[in-house]
Amino acid sequence: NAGVTQTPKFQVLKTGQSMTLQCAQDMNHNSMYWYRQDPGMGLRLIYYSASEGTTDKGEVPNGYNVSRLNKREFSLRLESAAPSQTSVYFCASMWPIRTAAFFGQGTRLTVV
Amino acid sequence: AQTVTQSQPEMSVQEAETVTLSCTYDTSESDYYLFWYKQPPSRQMILVIRQEAYKQQNATENRFSVNFQKAAKSFSLKISDSQLGDAAMYFCACLSWGDKVIFGPGTSLSVIP
Repeated sequence: NAGVTQTPKFQVLKTGQSMTLQCAQDMNHNSMYWYRQDPGMGLRLIYYSASEGTTDKGEVPNGYNVSRLNKREFSLRLESAAPSQTSVYFCASMWPIRTAAFFGQGTRLTVV
Repeated sequence: AQTVTQSQPEMSVQEAETVTLSCTYDTSESDYYLFWYKQPPSRQMILVIRQEAYKQQNATENRFSVNFQKAAKSFSLKISDSQLGDAAMYFCACLSWGDKVIFGPGTSLSVIP
């Protein structure tokens, strides 16, 4: 099925470990996004990419890096995980005509 | 800075009744888009309705409609004939320059049978 695919769906990390969350979309969308969702905070934008080769900081970029590998893929990297990064992470993509953002299923990340 | 505020953390409505969820936003852009998303317990994000800022007419989608007040920067969602399946978190979002999309903190809607 067409859509936004995130891997993994669940992950437990130890403090200080690194990992990369993968996101791929097959809808030929230009813009892609990474959000984190915490109780009472809604979805907060970490980074976004309006086109292949460009990335911009969102509301909460500290502790994260991103790579827009090609038009399809947008990865999020935690270089040294901290308990404060325990959250549910969502990837999303959107058409240039801005009809709507399509979301992946989310990744539940726990840092212990 | 672009911000979105939802002042109602929780709301409840009787089945078949009408409920309105509030949202205010702030952006310096003249060209922007507003959205309401629904998130059921499955965690899936589902688009409910979309409004272009340059359109004066309020968007409607079946039982869902918005009251868009551009001068007041207000974008409320009205759900008519509420159903049990409407119970979810509802998020208001604003898309503006550079395709940046900012979400509000959400409103948890309960539907009472």
